[in-house]
Amino acid sequence: KQEVTQIPAALSVPEGENLVLNCSFTDSAIYNLQWFRQDPGKGLTSLLLIQSSQREQTSGRLNASLDKSSGRSTLYIAASQPGDSATYLCAVRPGGNQFYFGTGTSLTVIP
Amino acid sequence: KAGVTQTPRYLIKTRGQQVTLSCSPISGHRSVSWYQQTPGQGLQFLFEYFSETQRNKGNFPGRFSGRQFSNSRSEMNVSTLELGDSALYLCASSSLSGTGAYEQYFGPGTRLTVT
Repeated sequence: KQEVTQIPAALSVPEGENLVLNCSFTDSAIYNLQWFRQDPGKGLTSLLLIQSSQREQTSGRLNASLDKSSGRSTLYIAASQPGDSATYLCAVRPGGNQFYFGTGTSLTVIP
Repeated sequence: KAGVTQTPRYLIKTRGQQVTLSCSPISGHRSVSWYQQTPGQGLQFLFEYFSETQRNKGNFPGRFSGRQFSNSRSEMNVSTLELGDSALYLCASSSLSGTGAYEQYFGPGTRLTVT
């Protein structure tokens, strides 16, 4: 069974700092990996989708990388802002349409 | 395009009752998945429906069931509610992107409280 781990569980940084969130998964046979953000009590907002054949994806200040062979993905956030404060989740799809989620990293950006 | 909608947004039920939650996917999306999110267990997959058929099922008891209608709208039902069923229930619709990858889009969730 696919297991997804996210470290750290919580992170607090000053505004303007660049940061990296980590996601690791146990089975490298995945079709794609998706990063989400979740604000308290809300649903998930899709940030980036990386297919298994890709190494990275970028959207604005966000860059996600994927290393299937080592079972790792990172989400890089440049020049963090208080509005980036949220929980960030990664999810992998090994096959079919079932996604496995990590437990998330709670990010606080201090003004 | 309208996003994924879920109704109701909040529910309070008593132990032993049953509840039905509704999800309307993004127009054109044929796959609907349901997840339970709790502070202790995180996001756990319940089941996925595609074209009115259950295609995948997570490890939940038979009290949790679902269905999908011909217009892709989906409902999930929980019978004989237990305190541990208190959670945020999230629905996601997905379709193949132009690059051939399934991408999920989530609704705002239904917050269920069982007392």
